[in-house]
Amino acid sequence: DAKTTQPPSMDCAEGRAANLPCNHSTISGNEYVYWYRQIHSQGPQYIIHGLKNNETNEMASLIITEDRKSSTLILPHATLRDTAVYYCIVSRTGANNLFFGTGTRLTVIP
Amino acid sequence: DAGVIQSPRHEVTEMGQEVTLRCKPISGHDYLFWYRQTMMRGLELLIYFNNNVPIDDSGMPEDRFSAKMPNASFSTLKIQPSEPRDSAVYFCASSLTGYAFFGQGTRLTVV
Repeated sequence: DAKTTQPPSMDCAEGRAANLPCNHSTISGNEYVYWYRQIHSQGPQYIIHGLKNNETNEMASLIITEDRKSSTLILPHATLRDTAVYYCIVSRTGANNLFFGTGTRLTVIP
Repeated sequence: DAGVIQSPRHEVTEMGQEVTLRCKPISGHDYLFWYRQTMMRGLELLIYFNNNVPIDDSGMPEDRFSAKMPNASFSTLKIQPSEPRDSAVYFCASSLTGYAFFGQGTRLTVV
């Protein structure tokens, strides 16, 4: 599966949108983009995934570029509880082939 | 559903002792995963099962580690004998539709 590149850390003001970028320039046509997050001392939590269309759910939106070489996870109104490490993962098969990497540590500032 | 349940939440043991970590996956899920997380290596997949059958154990660090899934609702990860370098947080996860649900983890400290 293709590897991803994420910034190591980001800050976001509470109530503002958090935009977390991810580069996956070697992604294959049958690979999905998954996002998970891990709040301190908890297990990772699934957020959203997509193939090529933009996706939205109750937690976040996922914007995938037309060439699929990068994506952005958007938390529309960040709260303090969104402070976590966010992992962007590219995978063909989903859960049984997840390489977590180092992720982006998002800090939401009051 | 209560989610993926792991026990114990914390375990402190002496080097050389046997350690058994337990996991109850979400009912109906057909995949079960064991991960290990350390500061140095991050989250690593150790082994996963499909329909109670081990599919890929290439992440198991050595023969001291073993995992079983005797039925669809229970799995164990055993370390025998334990060593200080096994200290980590061990996560169990289960899946049905392509993304995983993780438990709260077991923090293992080997002294």
